[in-house]
Amino acid sequence: GQQVMQIPQYQHVQEGEDFTTYCNSSTTLSNIQWYKQRPGGHPVFLIQLVKSGEVKKQKRLTFQFGEAKKNSSLHITATQTTDVGTYFCAGVPGNKLVFGAGTILRVKS
Amino acid sequence: DAGVIQSPRHEVTEMGQEVTLRCKPISGHNSLFWYRQTMMRGLELLIYFNNNVPIDDSGMPEDRFSAKMPNASFSTLKIQPSEPRDSAVYFCASSFRVFEAFFGQGTRLTVV
Repeated sequence: GQQVMQIPQYQHVQEGEDFTTYCNSSTTLSNIQWYKQRPGGHPVFLIQLVKSGEVKKQKRLTFQFGEAKKNSSLHITATQTTDVGTYFCAGVPGNKLVFGAGTILRVKS
Repeated sequence: DAGVIQSPRHEVTEMGQEVTLRCKPISGHNSLFWYRQTMMRGLELLIYFNNNVPIDDSGMPEDRFSAKMPNASFSTLKIQPSEPRDSAVYFCASSFRVFEAFFGQGTRLTVV
């Protein structure tokens, strides 16, 4: 079936280090969305990318959508303890929202 | 708007019992999703409704699971009979088409 693969599964960084999570789809996506889930919470929408090659920034977060609209990345510059949580990408192949497995980010202070 | 409302927040039930999870989506949203989250399997899409019609239920694990959306403001996910392996957090999410999904707080189900 349609799958959205996300790596790494888990990353533990020192506060101040950078962090990147990658998302790949087996099919072309009409758009890709990123969500953050804090421990014990629910996924919260961060951003949506629609155009091929699109890059968007939110403060220390940079989101990219690949030229072929099959992959995406989220990069956090200089992580802070408030960045901890699980980051999910969600692809739209067709008309449903399919989530990647998520990357768990832990930040050591 | 209060957001997506799910009930109950926690449910503990015995194996074999029927469990019904409820969801009230955000008014105006025409897409509704039910997800199940476990450590082992992550966030799995169970079923997707568009304009109250089930579009894709390929993620529903087996016949013990059923979902309904009788109107635009209410949906249920039913498990009958429940089994310990159904223990998970069940999320309902709604969106306008498939843009920006808003999630409920989730229902933590424990089947003993």
